[in-house]
Amino acid sequence: SQTIHQWPATLVQPVGSPLSLECTVEGTSNPNLYWYRQAAGRGLQLLFYSVGIGQISSEVPQNLSASRPQDRQFILSSKKLLLSDSGFYLCAWTHLPGQGGYEQYFGPGTRLTVT
Amino acid sequence: GIQVEQSPPDLILQEGANSTLRCNFSDSVNNLQWFHQNPWGQLINLFYIPSGTKQNGRLSATTVATERYSLLYISSSQTTDSGVYFCAVEPPSNDYKLSFGAGTTVTVRA
Repeated sequence: SQTIHQWPATLVQPVGSPLSLECTVEGTSNPNLYWYRQAAGRGLQLLFYSVGIGQISSEVPQNLSASRPQDRQFILSSKKLLLSDSGFYLCAWTHLPGQGGYEQYFGPGTRLTVT
Repeated sequence: GIQVEQSPPDLILQEGANSTLRCNFSDSVNNLQWFHQNPWGQLINLFYIPSGTKQNGRLSATTVATERYSLLYISSSQTTDSGVYFCAVEPPSNDYKLSFGAGTTVTVRA
C-alpha cells in the first residue's frame, strides 16, 4: 500500500530564515505530487504541482519554490521566510493518468510558524 | 477558475442526530472528493464521487453532476465526527488539480 510522509511535523522559524520541507511517497511510482497551504481557519490553496522529476508548475506567485529531485520526493523551499508564510503545509499525491484511480491522498502536514 | 461553495459554514449537532452538508460548484468536474480534517489536521479521504451515490458506514454521498452539486450525509452522528469537512473538485483540465471549498465545521456534542 502507498504511504506519504512529511517532515518536520512542526517548525518555528524566524523571519528571514530559509525553509526546507520534505515530502516522500512510498509504494507507488511516477506519482503526481502537490503542495498545498492552509491558513488558520481557511480552506486549502494549491501552491505547486509536479508530474515528474524536475517538472514543477506554480499556481500562485509567492515567496516559495518547489523541487522534485527524485521520483517520489517533493521539497518546498524558501530563501527568506515572511510572516505571511505561516500556515499548515500539506503534500499530496495521485496516480498518473491511466495508472490507477484519480483520488488525491494527503500527508500529515507540517505546521509552520514564522516569528 | 471554478468556484466551490459549501454550506452551512458551521454545524452543531447533538450526538445521534443526522445532518446534510452541501457542496455547489460552478462548472463541470472530472473529480469530486469529500474529506474530513481531524483535529490534528490530517485530511482523511471520505469519498471519491464525481457522480452517483456511495455509502460507507454512517456516511453517504450523492453527486448530481448535471446540477453541479454534491451532498454528504452523516447519520447517527458521533463525537468523533467533529472536524472540518471539505469538498474538492477538479475541472476537466487533465491536471488533477483540486479546488477546495471553504469547508463546513461540524461539532458533535455528547
